[in-house]
Amino acid sequence: EIVMTQSPATLSVSPGERATLSCRAGQTISNNLAWYHQRPGQAPRLLIYGASTRATGITARFSGSGSGTEFTLTISSLQSEDLGVYYCQQYNNWRASFGQGTKVEI
Amino acid sequence: EIQLVESGGGLVQPGRSLRLSCVASGFTFDDYAMHWVRQPPGRGLEWVAGISWNNGSVGYADSVKGRFTISRDNAKNSLYLLMKNMRPEDTAFYYCVKVDGFGSGPGDFWGQGSLVTVSS
Repeated sequence: EIVMTQSPATLSVSPGERATLSCRAGQTISNNLAWYHQRPGQAPRLLIYGASTRATGITARFSGSGSGTEFTLTISSLQSEDLGVYYCQQYNNWRASFGQGTKVEI
Repeated sequence: EIQLVESGGGLVQPGRSLRLSCVASGFTFDDYAMHWVRQPPGRGLEWVAGISWNNGSVGYADSVKGRFTISRDNAKNSLYLLMKNMRPEDTAFYYCVKVDGFGSGPGDFWGQGSLVTVSS
């Protein structure tokens, strides 16, 4: 199983500021990485797949980058609806795995 | 509109079995792989199991391998998770997830989750 490590655990950001979240894979996964956002009491929602492609309906404020083992999710101008927990997931093979999450506080 | 509706959750004693079901609508079910993902209350996400569009490939997390079985019935647009020899650490919300593709891939639609509690 590929171990995914996210940092930081918690990120405190003011509205309008830029937020940068990191995700590291324990072995190379090419660009087989997704990012999800989960608000309290809701199911996760897909934001980014293929490391950098925005999912349908996702605002351009979200962008993803990286390949191999190092990946980044950037929120260009944080809004109040962006609070919650962000998870990265590798799907390089059938045994997918998630990072432990980054909580974004505003 | 794509919908994934889980059912079958509830309270179960350690060592017993439980089967979760997920009925899908709004898309061609047999064109896509499906996953189960779980989340203990207040904690992070854990991938549990996945199955390809045609039942040809399946995968399990180490924590459930040998105890859980994922299956699907494409004629009924349904996904299942049979959980045997359950443990307290299996307590979680279980999400049915549609994969963007016929094999391994990102989960582009999620159900609302079904709570499973393992306790005596």
